[in-house]
Parts: sequence; structure tokens; C-alpha cells
Amino acid sequence: RKEVEQDPGPFNVPEGATVAFNCTYSNSASQSFFWYRQDCRKEPKLLMSVYSSGNEDGRFTAQLNRASQYISLLIRDSKLSDSATYLCVVNTNNNDMRFGAGTRLTVKP
Amino acid sequence: NAGVTQTPKFRVLKTGQSMTLLCAQDMNHEYMYWYRQDPGMGLRLIHYSVGEGTTAKGEVPDGYNVSRLKKQNFLLGLESAAPSQTSVYFCASSYSRRTGGSYEQYFGPGTRLTVT
Repeated sequence: RKEVEQDPGPFNVPEGATVAFNCTYSNSASQSFFWYRQDCRKEPKLLMSVYSSGNEDGRFTAQLNRASQYISLLIRDSKLSDSATYLCVVNTNNNDMRFGAGTRLTVKP
Repeated sequence: NAGVTQTPKFRVLKTGQSMTLLCAQDMNHEYMYWYRQDPGMGLRLIHYSVGEGTTAKGEVPDGYNVSRLKKQNFLLGLESAAPSQTSVYFCASSYSRRTGGSYEQYFGPGTRLTVT
């Protein structure tokens, strides 16, 4: 079983739609959680950290459920520029981060 | 401020050849990392370094060696390349938790390596 699992997609949605991505992790000792965004043939970049209380950044909302070992990312009012692969990232005890394989999103006009 | 840079951007090797990938960062980060990214696998950590002169194995270290002689540079070596090492290699850097910094990792643009 992979340490971090994501639905690979692809998710194809129209502009303006709301889309949600899920991620599960296997190590209950995991301490830090992130969503990264990766554009085609580019490097990953941090989208947002995920806090226990949940957090929001504009159209993006991230939530963490430690009991279920589950992280989510919600994107509201999707834009064409949101098309990318979204990587779920989990850190256990040091800077050894474990990445999910990513969920691909395509937003269409 | 260039951030994290990697050289070369592309490389084709024959089986058995050796090469070194160079990563440089100008953000004074303590930690540096080498990952490989393969389709359907996500990024996997090869080796990492928590400071100048120190290195440690990650998830998939076999067939690779690293060195961190200067804080700003992290080298990844392939002594005898194999087709299984065909991949995209990303270098990253971050502050350490001890300094109260974020875990956010900053990535270089990647090196596309093909081993034939």
C-alpha cells in the first residue's frame, strides 16, 4: 500500500465548477500536510499547507481529518488557469516528505 | 535571486555511463533533497542533506550517490547508469525546523534523463 494515495483522475470540469480532491495517508504519526501544484513539465510549487482546523485561501479550502487519515482540497469557481496536477504531501517527523502520485485537473471553457 | 537551479536540463546516457547532476540554491537553506518522478509514482526521495557535509538516504537511494561539500550545492551522481534510472530528477531545498522555518520545499526546474 502506498503511503499517500490520491485519485489520479483526470477530473474534467467546466469553468465555474466546484471540484474536490481527496488524499489518504497510512502513517498515523504524520505531522505536516500540504497541497502542491504541478503544471505540465514544470516543478511542483506549494499551493497551501493544511492545518488541523482547516484553512482557506481565496477559492481554495483544505481540510484535515486525523482520525480518518484523510486530507481534502476544494476548489470553488474553477478557472482555466487551475488546470494542473495537484499533489498531496505528508511529512512524518523530519523533512522526509512523502508525495502522492497526483490528481490531474482540466478546467474547460 | 535565482532560487533553485539545476544543470543540465536534459541528458541522454548509454547504459553504464556515469554523470553528475548539479543543484544550487541561493536562499541559504539548510536542507536539500533529490527526488525522482516517474509516471504514476509521484515524487520519490533519493537522498537528502540536513547541512553542509552531511547526507542521508531517502526512499530509493540504490544506484545513486550524493555530496554536499558547500551549503548551496547538492550533487547527485550516477556511477553506472541503467535504463531503470530514466526519469525526471528534481532538486529541492528548505529551511530546517530548528530555525523555526517552514517545511515548504522549493524545487528546481528538473532534469530529464534518458538512459538507453
